[in-house]
Amino acid sequence: DTAVSQTPKYLVTQMGNDKSIKCEQNLGHDTMYWYKQDSKKFLKIMFSYNNKELIINETVPNRFSPKSPDKAHLNLHINSLELGDSAVYFCASSLDRASLYGYTFGSGTRLTVV
Amino acid sequence: GQQLNQSPQSMFIQEGEDVSMNCTSSSIFNTWLWYKQDPGEGPVLLIALYKAGELTSNGRLTAQFGITRKDSFLNISASIPSDVGIYFCAGPTRANNDMRFGAGTRLTVKP
Repeated sequence: DTAVSQTPKYLVTQMGNDKSIKCEQNLGHDTMYWYKQDSKKFLKIMFSYNNKELIINETVPNRFSPKSPDKAHLNLHINSLELGDSAVYFCASSLDRASLYGYTFGSGTRLTVV
Repeated sequence: GQQLNQSPQSMFIQEGEDVSMNCTSSSIFNTWLWYKQDPGEGPVLLIALYKAGELTSNGRLTAQFGITRKDSFLNISASIPSDVGIYFCAGPTRANNDMRFGAGTRLTVKP
């Protein structure tokens, strides 16, 4: 049973397209996150939801829109994809927003925009 | 902000050698976490530290929470090929709203 599962694992798409990445956690955690990992492997927070409520919205282009239909799901929709959006996107969850016990990460979605 | 500086950036070692890496910050952290990322996977939590001076082991891994609360160390003893990966330090921000990650230490182990 995968704790945090993301789909798809790989996504290759053309510039200008709209795409979505889905994430689900079966850990009963209250808080979920989207991180972007660039080519230098740096992990940067994008969004965080706690019990379906947006609590972190970092400086991310408006083309990125998260949606949390319930606390077990956090999806990421990206409009008008650009070459610079190519990266690995990780979903993660934590017990609560204090995240003192760390995160559980999904295995990532490698997005390639051509 | 609460930035985390990891060093070294990369290490190339021979199987069987011990490894040491560290993480420093200009700010105080109340929790230090160490993660490992295997190629093609997400980071996985290795060790969590909650108290200044705390020394915690997980198999061949040992991590310490610095006394000043501004640094942490991770040691790997008798490295093996499957230790290859990127090791990240991390800590919750002051507002406890998200986790800050260091830039990672990339470890390569030669058989």
